[in-house]
Amino acid sequence: AQKITQTQPGMFVQEKEAVTLDCTYDTSDQSYGLFWYKQPSSGEMIFLIYQGSYDEQNATEGRYSLNFQKARKSANLVISASQLGDSAMYFCAMRAEHIFNDYKLSFGAGTTVTVRA
Amino acid sequence: NAGVTQTPKFRILKIGQSMTLQCAQDMNHNYMYWYRQDPGMGLKLIYYSVGAGITDKGEVPNGYNVSRSTTEYFPLRLELAAPSQTSVYFCASSTRRQDSDYGYTFGSGTRLTVV
Repeated sequence: AQKITQTQPGMFVQEKEAVTLDCTYDTSDQSYGLFWYKQPSSGEMIFLIYQGSYDEQNATEGRYSLNFQKARKSANLVISASQLGDSAMYFCAMRAEHIFNDYKLSFGAGTTVTVRA
Repeated sequence: NAGVTQTPKFRILKIGQSMTLQCAQDMNHNYMYWYRQDPGMGLKLIYYSVGAGITDKGEVPNGYNVSRSTTEYFPLRLELAAPSQTSVYFCASSTRRQDSDYGYTFGSGTRLTVV
C-alpha cells in the first residue's frame, strides 16, 4: 500500500517569491513515480512535474522543480517566482511502476496556495 | 483529440435515486480510473480497470459499481444515492507510454449533490 502525506493545508506566498510544498510518501515498491498536480478553482487537474524513483537528477519544468530525497522519502515541490495564477490547490501523488502494475495513482490531501500581490 | 469526456458536468440527486456517470476516452488507453474528491480533500480511488472486461475495487468502492465492456467506455453506477456520495467525480485514463503528462489524462469532473 502507498501513502502520501501533505502536512501543509494552506500557505500564503508573496508574488515573485519562491514557495516549497512538502510531500512525504511511504511505499514498499522499489520502482515508483511521483507526481505533482495543480487544481485551480475551476477544478481541472493539471499535470506539473514527474520524478521517477530511479532518476538521479531532480526533475525541473520551467518554474517548477521537485526536490527528491529518496532516503527521506520526500518529494517537495518548489515553485519559483510565484505568480497570481499559481493560486490553486496542489496535490502530490505516486504510483508503483513495475511490469504488472495497474498504474493507479494515490493522492495526498493537498495544499492550498494563495499568492498575494 | 477529445481526451477523457465526462457527462454530466453537474447533477443533483435525491436520496435513494440511482444514476450513471459516463466516461469515455478516445486515446485507446488500457487503464481507466474513477476517483472522488470531497471538498478540500485529495482524490480517492473508487474503481479502476486495466482493460476491457477487467475491473477492480479501489479505496472507497462501497455504493458504486462499474463495468468496462469496451476500451473506450467506463461508466460508474451509483445505486441508492446517499448524502455521503456528494462529491466531485473524476474519470481518468492512462497508458504505459511516457509522453508529456506521463500517460495520465483526467476528465473535467462531475459535480454530484445528493439531497
